[in-house]
Amino acid sequence: EAGVVQSPRYKIIEKKQPVAFWCNPISGHNTLYWYRQNLGQGPELLIRYENEEAVDDSQLPKDRFSAERLKGVDSTLKIQPAELGDSAVYLCASSPGTGTDSPLHFGNGTRLTVT
Amino acid sequence: KQEVTQIPAALSVPEGENLVLNCSFTDSAIYNLQWFRQDPGKGLTSLLLIQSSQREQTSGRLNASLDKSSGRSTLYIAASQPGDSATYLCAVRPDETSYDKVIFGPGTSLSVIP
Repeated sequence: EAGVVQSPRYKIIEKKQPVAFWCNPISGHNTLYWYRQNLGQGPELLIRYENEEAVDDSQLPKDRFSAERLKGVDSTLKIQPAELGDSAVYLCASSPGTGTDSPLHFGNGTRLTVT
Repeated sequence: KQEVTQIPAALSVPEGENLVLNCSFTDSAIYNLQWFRQDPGKGLTSLLLIQSSQREQTSGRLNASLDKSSGRSTLYIAASQPGDSATYLCAVRPDETSYDKVIFGPGTSLSVIP
């Protein structure tokens, strides 16, 4: 089974520039998550999708962050404009559903550096 | 508000030693607790999941225990190997409905010296 695929692996941009991350979840996984992980900390949820619907985006800074999951498969996360404090690893995860023992499967992340 | 802490932040042991990683959480009303492993530059890999009604789970050389009343979980690694070097994170899930409110600890960085 192919895992969660994220691209790019690394991205370096100047502040105020836009940036986009892409995620392809495991086939058949209805639930998709975007997390942000700062150095030395655990991941923090940004947004969760159930199929095409964003069901929890309370942690997403909506003034500059946006996300979409067209057709309920791939997802993109965008930041515009990026700020220095956005430097972090952005992780995508998917799961078969939100049932009792649905494990989370994580991608390798995109490491963003804003200069 | 649920807070998850892990002590120590970093640990270095010689190969072959048994070791224990600690996870503490402030609100004992959890649904389950999960231990993850994260290699440098990689995502998280699930190791063990303990339901709130369980006391421990085992997988190979790994044993995770849960004491809800005291807000603590431990991950025991037997006969450590250099390949065990990674960051280990615990995460608590407060209810059964979804992963939305899962809270991760900051992780313990483990180095096993050959």
